Amino acid sequence: RKEVEQDPGPFNVPEGATVAFNCTYSNSASQSFFWYRQDCRKEPKLLMSVYSSGNEDGRFTAQLNRASQYISLLIRDSKLSDSATYLCVVGFSGGYNKLIFGAGTRLAVHP
Amino acid sequence: DVKVTQSSRYLVKRTGEKVFLECVQDMDHENMFWYRQDPGLGLRLIYFSYDVKMKEKGDIPEGYSVSREKKERFSLILESASTNQTSMYLCASHARQGAPDTQYFGPGTRLTVL
Repeated sequence: RKEVEQDPGPFNVPEGATVAFNCTYSNSASQSFFWYRQDCRKEPKLLMSVYSSGNEDGRFTAQLNRASQYISLLIRDSKLSDSATYLCVVGFSGGYNKLIFGAGTRLAVHP
Repeated sequence: DVKVTQSSRYLVKRTGEKVFLECVQDMDHENMFWYRQDPGLGLRLIYFSYDVKMKEKGDIPEGYSVSREKKERFSLILESASTNQTSMYLCASHARQGAPDTQYFGPGTRLTVL
């Protein structure tokens, strides 16, 4: 079983749609949680951290459920520029801050 | 501005060749990482280094070695390239005392082994 599991998609949605991505992780010792965005043939970039209380950044809302070991990302009012792969990432604190990456969920927003 | 650079964006090598992938960061970060990314598998950690001349195996170190002679430079070495090492290789760096969400990636090297 993969440590971080995501639906690979693709999710094909029209502009303006609301789309939700889910992610589950297997290691209950995970301490930090993130969503990264990766454009085609580019490096991953941090989109947002995820906190137990939930957090919002503009059209993006992230939620964490530690009891269920489940992370979500909600994108409202999708834009064409949101088309990318979204990576769910969990981290372990320590000297080197190890990150475990999910395989990613691909989003395609069309006009 | 944060900067992690990798020596090549695209590389084509033949089976059995020795391959060097170079990564340089200008942020004075202690920690540096090498990942490979394959479709359906996500990023997998090959090796990391938390200081000059220090290295630790990641999850898939077989067939690879690394070198960290200077703080800003972390090299990944494929001693004898094989076709199953065709992949996207990503370098990242992170400040030891930094928050986990401050791991920065280089642009990646797409390696093809024929």
